Amino acid sequence: DAKTTQPPSMDCAEGRAANLPCNHSTISGNEYVYWYRQIHSQGPQYIIHGLKNNETNEMASLIITEDRKSSTLILPHATLRDTAVYYCIVRTSGTYKYIFGTGTRLKVLA
Amino acid sequence: GAGVSQSPSNKVTEKGKDVELRCDPISGHTALYWYRQSLGQGLEFLIYFQGNSAPDKSGLPSDRFSAERTGGSVSTLTIQRTQQEDSAVYLCASSNKGLLMNTEAFFGQGTRLTVV
Repeated sequence: DAKTTQPPSMDCAEGRAANLPCNHSTISGNEYVYWYRQIHSQGPQYIIHGLKNNETNEMASLIITEDRKSSTLILPHATLRDTAVYYCIVRTSGTYKYIFGTGTRLKVLA
Repeated sequence: GAGVSQSPSNKVTEKGKDVELRCDPISGHTALYWYRQSLGQGLEFLIYFQGNSAPDKSGLPSDRFSAERTGGSVSTLTIQRTQQEDSAVYLCASSNKGLLMNTEAFFGQGTRLTVV
């Protein structure tokens, strides 16, 4: 069962920041938050992950609240190629298993 | 190889036939996963293998589904007596055991199975 809650869809204007929220209120202390995305007809692609500190890489930034009950994925300058379904996943403690929820369908508009 | 490779990319089979789907993980990756994605749906976990440990089969939907991983590398997902509801994209992923197990998984492009 998915441990995360995400809005089903969002729109974002091209060139603007896309902020995708995720609630994970039952997360435990040693569970990481992962983000993947799936562009149409492709396999999911890893974006970023974190435990409690904010993280940034070449693709995105991850902001995790101090209580770790929610997080936000930020795509700083969205492009049309960022249109995809974005999955927020809490890694099951002690295993490699990823449980995917239904994700957020992000549509970047020209 | 450079990434996770799955074959075939597309498979059409008749109801009642058996099918085998193959996954070649990234060399050296010890963890391997199978997921299923029905049209317009999210990813459904099926099974994962980690090294020599017993696989976690908790996601297999019925005893018609089985998977093996030979020599800790290539994996085959077998579906016996296929049904129309088995039609989906079957995705394989692999990951490397890293410190604290916080490593990302790399997915293949999937096998699109259509049961007619």
